Amino acid sequence: DGGITQSPKYLFRKEGQNVTLSCEQNLNHDAMYWYRQDPGQGLRLIYYSQIVNDFQKGDIAEGYSVSREKKESFPLTVTSAQKNPTAFYLCASSSHPSGRVTYNEQFFGPGTRLTVL
Amino acid sequence: QKEVEQDPGPLSVPEGAIVSLNCTYSNSAFQYFMWYRQYSRKGPELLMYTYSSGNKEDGRFTAQVDKSSKYISLFIRDSQPSDSATYLCATEHPLNDYKLSFGAGTTVTVRA
Repeated sequence: DGGITQSPKYLFRKEGQNVTLSCEQNLNHDAMYWYRQDPGQGLRLIYYSQIVNDFQKGDIAEGYSVSREKKESFPLTVTSAQKNPTAFYLCASSSHPSGRVTYNEQFFGPGTRLTVL
Repeated sequence: QKEVEQDPGPLSVPEGAIVSLNCTYSNSAFQYFMWYRQYSRKGPELLMYTYSSGNKEDGRFTAQVDKSSKYISLFIRDSQPSDSATYLCATEHPLNDYKLSFGAGTTVTVRA
Protein backbone atom coordinates (compact mmCIF):
# COMPACT_ATOMS: atom_id res chain seq x y z
CA ASP A 1 0.00 0.00 0.00
CA GLY A 2 1.97 2.99 -1.30
CA GLY A 3 1.75 6.43 0.17
CA ILE A 4 2.99 8.96 2.68
CA THR A 5 2.71 8.52 6.40
CA GLN A 6 3.07 11.19 9.04
CA SER A 7 3.32 10.68 12.76
CA PRO A 8 2.10 11.50 15.23
CA LYS A 9 -1.37 12.67 14.19
CA TYR A 10 -1.60 15.02 17.17
CA LEU A 11 1.34 16.50 19.06
CA PHE A 12 1.48 18.76 22.07
CA ARG A 13 4.51 20.83 22.90
CA LYS A 14 5.42 22.87 25.91
CA GLU A 15 7.03 26.26 25.55
CA GLY A 16 10.78 25.96 24.95
CA GLN A 17 10.70 22.37 23.69
CA ASN A 18 11.90 21.05 20.38
CA VAL A 19 9.69 18.47 18.70
CA THR A 20 10.23 16.32 15.63
CA LEU A 21 7.52 15.40 13.13
CA SER A 22 7.99 12.24 11.11
CA CYS A 23 7.34 11.86 7.37
CA GLU A 24 7.93 8.62 5.47
CA GLN A 25 7.09 7.75 1.86
CA ASN A 26 7.31 4.50 -0.08
CA LEU A 27 6.54 6.01 -3.49
CA ASN A 28 10.22 6.11 -4.49
CA HIS A 29 9.94 9.88 -4.91
CA ASP A 30 13.06 12.03 -5.01
CA ALA A 31 11.42 15.28 -3.86
CA MET A 32 9.84 15.87 -0.46
CA TYR A 33 8.24 18.96 1.06
CA TRP A 34 7.04 20.33 4.36
CA TYR A 35 4.13 22.79 4.51
CA ARG A 36 2.43 24.61 7.29
CA GLN A 37 -1.32 25.30 7.12
CA ASP A 38 -3.02 27.96 9.21
CA PRO A 39 -6.71 28.90 8.97
CA GLY A 40 -7.37 31.24 6.06
CA GLN A 41 -3.76 31.16 4.81
CA GLY A 42 -3.52 28.07 2.65
CA LEU A 43 -0.27 26.10 2.57
CA ARG A 44 3.10 27.74 3.10
CA LEU A 45 6.35 26.00 2.23
CA ILE A 46 8.79 25.46 5.11
CA TYR A 47 11.55 23.30 3.57
CA TYR A 48 11.96 21.07 0.56
CA SER A 49 14.41 18.49 -0.66
CA GLN A 50 14.87 17.29 -4.20
CA ILE A 51 17.54 14.71 -3.48
CA VAL A 52 19.04 12.83 -0.55
CA ASN A 53 21.45 14.84 1.61
CA ASP A 54 20.28 18.13 0.13
CA PHE A 55 17.47 20.50 1.13
CA GLN A 56 16.50 24.15 0.69
CA LYS A 57 14.60 26.70 2.72
CA GLY A 58 11.08 27.55 1.71
CA ASP A 59 9.19 30.74 2.49
CA ILE A 60 8.93 30.31 6.26
CA ALA A 61 11.99 28.28 7.36
CA GLU A 62 12.86 30.29 10.47
CA GLY A 63 12.52 28.19 13.62
CA TYR A 64 12.47 24.89 11.72
CA SER A 65 15.12 22.36 10.69
CA VAL A 66 15.11 19.25 8.52
CA SER A 67 17.34 16.39 7.44
CA ARG A 68 17.27 14.10 4.42
CA GLU A 69 19.54 11.17 5.17
CA LYS A 70 17.33 8.62 3.43
CA LYS A 71 15.24 8.91 0.29
CA GLU A 72 12.08 7.77 2.04
CA SER A 73 12.35 9.97 5.14
CA PHE A 74 12.20 13.75 5.69
CA PRO A 75 11.72 14.62 9.38
CA LEU A 76 10.92 18.17 10.46
CA THR A 77 12.05 19.61 13.80
CA VAL A 78 10.11 22.51 15.22
CA THR A 79 12.55 24.31 17.48
CA SER A 80 11.92 26.59 20.43
CA ALA A 81 12.90 29.49 18.16
CA GLN A 82 9.61 29.11 16.26
CA LYS A 83 7.44 31.73 17.95
CA ASN A 84 4.04 30.51 16.85
CA PRO A 85 4.26 26.80 16.06
CA THR A 86 0.61 25.84 16.60
CA ALA A 87 -0.56 24.73 13.15
CA PHE A 88 -1.36 21.79 10.88
CA TYR A 89 1.81 20.41 9.27
CA LEU A 90 1.70 18.60 5.95
CA CYS A 91 4.39 16.56 4.26
CA ALA A 92 4.33 15.89 0.52
CA SER A 93 6.42 14.11 -2.08
CA SER A 94 6.74 14.06 -5.86
CA SER A 95 8.94 12.76 -8.62
CA HIS A 96 11.96 14.93 -9.37
CA PRO A 97 10.91 17.72 -11.73
CA SER A 98 13.91 17.40 -14.07
CA GLY A 99 13.19 15.60 -17.32
CA ARG A 100 9.48 15.63 -16.81
CA VAL A 101 6.94 15.94 -19.62
CA THR A 102 3.93 16.95 -17.55
CA TYR A 103 3.00 18.09 -14.07
CA ASN A 104 4.51 16.01 -11.30
CA GLU A 105 1.75 15.65 -8.75
CA GLN A 106 2.62 16.33 -5.13
CA PHE A 107 1.13 13.63 -2.92
CA PHE A 108 0.29 14.68 0.61
CA GLY A 109 0.35 12.83 3.88
CA PRO A 110 -2.51 12.98 6.42
CA GLY A 111 -0.87 15.76 8.45
CA THR A 112 0.22 16.37 12.05
CA ARG A 113 -1.61 18.87 14.21
CA LEU A 114 0.84 20.55 16.59
CA THR A 115 -0.43 22.47 19.59
CA VAL A 116 1.70 24.49 21.97
CA LEU A 117 0.51 24.34 25.56
CA GLN B 1 1.19 40.86 -3.05
CA LYS B 2 0.54 37.15 -2.68
CA GLU B 3 1.24 35.12 -5.79
CA VAL B 4 -2.13 33.38 -5.66
CA GLU B 5 -5.26 34.99 -4.24
CA GLN B 6 -8.36 33.01 -3.35
CA ASP B 7 -11.48 34.04 -1.49
CA PRO B 8 -11.63 31.79 1.61
CA GLY B 9 -15.43 31.87 1.69
CA PRO B 10 -17.07 29.94 3.25
CA LEU B 11 -19.50 28.94 0.53
CA SER B 12 -22.75 27.08 1.24
CA VAL B 13 -24.96 25.74 -1.56
CA PRO B 14 -27.93 23.37 -1.81
CA GLU B 15 -27.42 19.91 -3.26
CA GLY B 16 -27.53 19.95 -7.05
CA ALA B 17 -26.32 23.54 -7.40
CA ILE B 18 -23.32 24.61 -9.45
CA VAL B 19 -20.32 25.57 -7.34
CA SER B 20 -18.03 28.23 -8.80
CA LEU B 21 -14.58 28.78 -7.28
CA ASN B 22 -12.04 31.34 -8.45
CA CYS B 23 -8.44 32.38 -7.98
CA THR B 24 -6.18 35.01 -9.43
CA TYR B 25 -2.41 34.83 -9.80
CA SER B 26 0.28 37.39 -10.36
CA ASN B 27 3.17 35.72 -12.24
CA SER B 28 2.68 35.32 -15.98
CA ALA B 29 5.41 32.65 -16.03
CA PHE B 30 3.14 30.12 -14.35
CA GLN B 31 2.10 27.35 -16.72
CA TYR B 32 0.54 24.61 -14.59
CA PHE B 33 -2.56 25.30 -12.52
CA MET B 34 -3.92 22.85 -10.00
CA TRP B 35 -6.96 22.34 -7.84
CA TYR B 36 -6.55 20.32 -4.68
CA ARG B 37 -9.43 19.09 -2.51
CA GLN B 38 -8.97 18.78 1.23
CA TYR B 39 -11.46 17.09 3.51
CA SER B 40 -11.56 18.16 7.13
CA ARG B 41 -8.42 17.19 9.07
CA LYS B 42 -6.95 15.36 6.07
CA GLY B 43 -4.16 16.05 3.60
CA PRO B 44 -5.00 17.66 0.24
CA GLU B 45 -5.44 15.48 -2.83
CA LEU B 46 -5.06 16.56 -6.43
CA LEU B 47 -8.42 17.03 -8.11
CA MET B 48 -7.37 18.39 -11.51
CA TYR B 49 -4.60 20.25 -13.23
CA THR B 50 -4.48 22.25 -16.44
CA TYR B 51 -1.61 23.44 -18.57
CA SER B 52 -1.66 26.97 -19.95
CA SER B 53 -5.03 28.41 -20.99
CA GLY B 54 -8.21 26.52 -21.71
CA ASN B 55 -10.73 24.17 -20.18
CA LYS B 56 -10.42 20.69 -18.76
CA GLU B 57 -13.36 18.53 -17.79
CA ASP B 58 -13.47 15.48 -15.55
CA GLY B 59 -16.95 14.23 -14.77
CA ARG B 60 -18.79 16.91 -12.82
CA PHE B 61 -15.66 19.05 -12.49
CA THR B 62 -14.42 21.66 -14.97
CA ALA B 63 -11.24 23.67 -14.57
CA GLN B 64 -10.64 26.83 -16.58
CA VAL B 65 -7.58 29.01 -16.98
CA ASP B 66 -7.56 32.44 -18.60
CA LYS B 67 -3.92 33.49 -18.83
CA SER B 68 -4.78 36.88 -20.32
CA SER B 69 -6.54 37.88 -17.11
CA LYS B 70 -4.54 35.53 -14.81
CA TYR B 71 -7.75 33.90 -13.64
CA ILE B 72 -8.30 30.28 -12.56
CA SER B 73 -11.75 28.74 -12.06
CA LEU B 74 -13.23 25.45 -10.90
CA PHE B 75 -16.86 24.54 -11.50
CA ILE B 76 -18.66 21.66 -9.81
CA ARG B 77 -21.91 20.64 -11.47
CA ASP B 78 -24.71 18.78 -9.70
CA SER B 79 -22.96 19.27 -6.37
CA GLN B 80 -23.28 16.53 -3.76
CA PRO B 81 -22.87 16.59 0.04
CA SER B 82 -19.71 14.51 -0.50
CA ASP B 83 -18.22 17.53 -2.32
CA SER B 84 -18.16 19.41 0.98
CA ALA B 85 -14.48 20.20 1.49
CA THR B 86 -11.88 22.93 1.19
CA TYR B 87 -10.70 23.56 -2.36
CA LEU B 88 -7.21 24.97 -2.86
CA CYS B 89 -5.94 26.41 -6.10
CA ALA B 90 -2.21 26.25 -6.78
CA THR B 91 0.29 27.29 -9.40
CA GLU B 92 3.81 26.10 -10.10
CA HIS B 93 7.01 28.12 -10.45
CA PRO B 94 8.77 26.79 -13.57
CA LEU B 95 11.84 28.92 -12.82
CA ASN B 96 11.99 28.37 -9.06
CA ASP B 97 12.45 24.64 -8.49
CA TYR B 98 8.84 24.02 -9.55
CA LYS B 99 7.64 25.08 -6.12
CA LEU B 100 3.89 25.40 -5.63
CA SER B 101 2.09 28.55 -4.49
CA PHE B 102 -1.28 27.90 -2.91
CA GLY B 103 -4.34 30.02 -2.50
CA ALA B 104 -5.93 30.32 0.93
CA GLY B 105 -8.54 27.67 0.11
CA THR B 106 -12.33 28.02 -0.13
CA THR B 107 -14.44 25.94 2.24
CA VAL B 108 -17.54 24.60 0.50
CA THR B 109 -20.56 23.06 2.20
CA VAL B 110 -23.20 21.32 0.08
CA ARG B 111 -26.48 21.06 2.00
CA ALA B 112 -28.59 17.96 1.49
